[in-house]
Amino acid sequence: IAGITQAPTSQILAAGRRMTLRCTQDMRHNAMYWYRQDLGLGLRLIHYSNTAGTTGKGEVPDGYSVSRANTDDFPLTLASAVPSQTSVYFCASSTGTGGDEQFFGPGTRLTVL
Amino acid sequence: GQNIDQPTEMTATEGAIVQINCTYQTSGFNGLFWYQQHAGEAPTFLSYNVLDGLEEKGRFSSFLSRSKGYSYLLLKELQMKDSASYLCAVSGGDYKLSFGAGTTVTVRA
Repeated sequence: IAGITQAPTSQILAAGRRMTLRCTQDMRHNAMYWYRQDLGLGLRLIHYSNTAGTTGKGEVPDGYSVSRANTDDFPLTLASAVPSQTSVYFCASSTGTGGDEQFFGPGTRLTVL
Repeated sequence: GQNIDQPTEMTATEGAIVQINCTYQTSGFNGLFWYQQHAGEAPTFLSYNVLDGLEEKGRFSSFLSRSKGYSYLLLKELQMKDSASYLCAVSGGDYKLSFGAGTTVTVRA
């Protein structure tokens, strides 16, 4: 693979279920990010990781958790999904130095019923 | 927090020029990015400005005025494939990106 991948591409989930969205990059980037994109609201940062072993909260972290056990992987977990978490989720990565562009994965379209 | 404003929609004719404005209010500033996003796809990087002035890259140019909290993206010689959303994003004091809601540009023949 080259770049950043996400799985699944799309998912329909019953409310209350647990779900993990996967993200993997092979660019050896230090920093990784999770965003959600909702119509009219743009991309909003959920959680981020500046380097393996560290994570931080973004603008809308409630109901989500992340881990960063290694450089390549940055999974996002919804412990108990709710309908308001219906969204398109994008993972991104960057070198982590100031002013560096972020590279985005193809996204996961999640519907919570 | 960050406040980033850009128009919701713009329409232009093939071959024309369109200017997308972005105004921002942020706590700290470490640069402004423009991304392009086609429907159903991921955002892709277009430009980065950290100093005042104009950055030109082919048919696309981006301008920044830090004192005015203002940027614009200029798309010249519009092509049908330029129909997309254009996202303005500001890197704040913590180097995290805050995005505007995006401007949907429709190019008509």
